[in-house]
Amino acid sequence: AQSVTQLDSQVPVFEEAPVELRCNYSSSVSVYLFWYVQYPNQGLQLLLKYLSGSTLVKGINGFEAEFNKSQTSFHLRKPSVHISDTAEYFCAVSRAGNQFYFGTGTSLTVIP
Amino acid sequence: GAVVSQHPSWVICKSGTSVKIECRSLDFQATTMFWYRQFPKQSLMLMATSNEGSKATYEQGVEKDKFLINHASLTLSTLTVTSAHPEDSSFYICSAVPLGNEQFFGPGTRLTVL
Repeated sequence: AQSVTQLDSQVPVFEEAPVELRCNYSSSVSVYLFWYVQYPNQGLQLLLKYLSGSTLVKGINGFEAEFNKSQTSFHLRKPSVHISDTAEYFCAVSRAGNQFYFGTGTSLTVIP
Repeated sequence: GAVVSQHPSWVICKSGTSVKIECRSLDFQATTMFWYRQFPKQSLMLMATSNEGSKATYEQGVEKDKFLINHASLTLSTLTVTSAHPEDSSFYICSAVPLGNEQFFGPGTRLTVL
């Protein structure tokens, strides 16, 4: 079975500072990895995904994530955050076409 | 990109009534759709997997007689919350899977039961 752990439930960071949101997963088979962002009262928006190939994945809004198989991690990073990045971020893992398993989410708050 | 819509976006109803939520894939066909619910400040919890032309598969602890799912076509799945009660108030999100390995999520439906 797959599971996803997001260790940080809340991450406050000053505007223009770098940020890393951590995600670890457990799975006995190859999986696909995703990061989603959710703004208040809205659905999920895909930030980026890792399916195969290069372990460094670039997404929208300047975010990127690196797949580390040995550490079973898929941490999300951004070198300089903006106020508009304040949102809830979810890491998810799935196998092809099957249901997603979501982490508990990380609330990112960007402080002016 | 693929677009998934949900209707309504927000519904308020009295306790005891039934509410139907629609999930549509607008520009692709989806043999599989998923229904999630999300409580405030929490993650998404998978409720059921909806397959076109067959019965839905419910996750453990989800009452199938209370949350009726119908996947009548390749572009439409519906979730009906029967005899809704205040504890059913939540944010319901669907997703659809075209061929491949990525889910596309709807914008969600906020259900408030008074």
